[in-house]
Amino acid sequence: QKEVEQNSGPLSVPEGAIASLNCTYSDRGSQSFFWYRQYSGKSPELIMFIYSNGDKEDGRFTAQLNKASQYVSLLIRDSQPSDSATYLCAVRGGNQFYFGTGTSLTVIP
Amino acid sequence: DTAVSQTPKYLVTQMGNDKSIKCEQNLGHDTMYWYKQDSKKFLKIMFSYNNKELIINETVPNRFSPKSPDKAHLNLHINSLELGDSAVYFCASSISPLYNEQFFGPGTRLTVL
Repeated sequence: QKEVEQNSGPLSVPEGAIASLNCTYSDRGSQSFFWYRQYSGKSPELIMFIYSNGDKEDGRFTAQLNKASQYVSLLIRDSQPSDSATYLCAVRGGNQFYFGTGTSLTVIP
Repeated sequence: DTAVSQTPKYLVTQMGNDKSIKCEQNLGHDTMYWYKQDSKKFLKIMFSYNNKELIINETVPNRFSPKSPDKAHLNLHINSLELGDSAVYFCASSISPLYNEQFFGPGTRLTVL
C-alpha cells in the first residue's frame, strides 16, 4: 500500500507570512511529486510538480523535494487570504497518482 | 468552454438504486480518470482509461463499472448503491498516462440515503 501523509491542519498563518506545508511518502520508487490546491466545494487544481531533489520555484510558491528522506514540501511566501484552501500532496509511481488527505490552510487578514 | 464536464453535479438517491455519472472532456486528451473523494478529503483513484482502454483498475467493488465509448467520454455506472458510496466523484483527464498535469471536472456529489 503506497501512502502519502500530510498533517491535516488546520494551519493558520497571518497575511504576508510564509506558509509551510509538508508531505511524506512511503514508496521509494515514486517518480514525480505534485501539489494541488482545492478550494472548498471545488475541484483540485495543479500548483506545481517536482521530480528532482532540491527546490523549484514558481512565483510565490516553492516546492522542495528530498528523496532520501522521502519528503516533499510546499512553501507559500507572502501568503494571501486567497491562498486559504486545502493543499493536496500527490505522488506518482508509474501511471498511478496517490494523494494525501490534504492540509487545510487559513490565511488570516 | 468547460474543459472537463460532469453530469449531474448533485445526485441524491436511495440505497439499492443504480445510477450513472457522465464525464466529457473537450481538451483532446487521450487519458481519463475517475476519482472518489470521501468526507475526509481523501482522493483515491478508481479507474483510468487511455484511448478507450482500461489501464488502471483499483480495488473497487464490482458494483462500479466504467465505460468509455470514445476517448472524450468516460462514464461511471454504479449498481446497488450503498451508504458508503456517498462521496464526491471527480473525473479528470490528461494528455497521456505519463503526463504530469491532470485537469479535474467540477465533481459530482453523490448522497445515498
